[in-house]
Amino acid sequence: EPEVTQTPSHQVTQMGQEVILRCVPISNHLYFYWYRQILGQKVEFLVSFYNNEISEKSEIFDDQFSVERPDGSNFTLKIRSTKLEDSAMYFCASRYRAGTEAFFGQGTRLTVV
Amino acid sequence: ELKVEQNPLFLSMQEGKNYTIYCNYSTTSDRLYWYRQDPGKSLESLFVLLSNGAVKQEGRLMASLDTKARLSTLHITAAVHDLSATYFCAVDIGNEKLTFGTGTRLTIIP
Repeated sequence: EPEVTQTPSHQVTQMGQEVILRCVPISNHLYFYWYRQILGQKVEFLVSFYNNEISEKSEIFDDQFSVERPDGSNFTLKIRSTKLEDSAMYFCASRYRAGTEAFFGQGTRLTVV
Repeated sequence: ELKVEQNPLFLSMQEGKNYTIYCNYSTTSDRLYWYRQDPGKSLESLFVLLSNGAVKQEGRLMASLDTKARLSTLHITAAVHDLSATYFCAVDIGNEKLTFGTGTRLTIIP
């Protein structure tokens, strides 16, 4: 069964460092997303990506964040200069089109120290 | 701004009992999804509800959608321990993203 895969599963980084979280969405899906979940809290939307551009972003997704789909299969989230409050589980998701269910990857736990 | 609220936030129930989790949302939508999350794990899709009056059932779980009331319910019948998890509803208002509810942490007690 097709699935969304994310790497790494856990990343520890020092404050101020850049991190790149990687995702391989399901191959025929057209919409891609990043969400984050701070421990014990709800799932928060960061950004949606369609047709090779950002279609929507939340207020959390500031200038420190960027996304890219460099090669038609990978979908990455970059945080330029990490802060302590960026520590969270980051989930990548994809779906074929609006109105269909979104499938989530297993997540990357980011710990900023 | 769309708000999605679930209640209760925490629920402990005995095995064999029935209970309902409620998901209220603030803006018109006819697309709602239920997900399950085990501790430290990803979000597993449970149900996709795409019209007013939609009802879906899988095992001991049944989900329904009332778009007029902006309400979805997740009903648990004769709970068993392996249903212990956090359950999220998520609403789609047609702008592509899903907005998640606050989550309901369900614990089934033997």
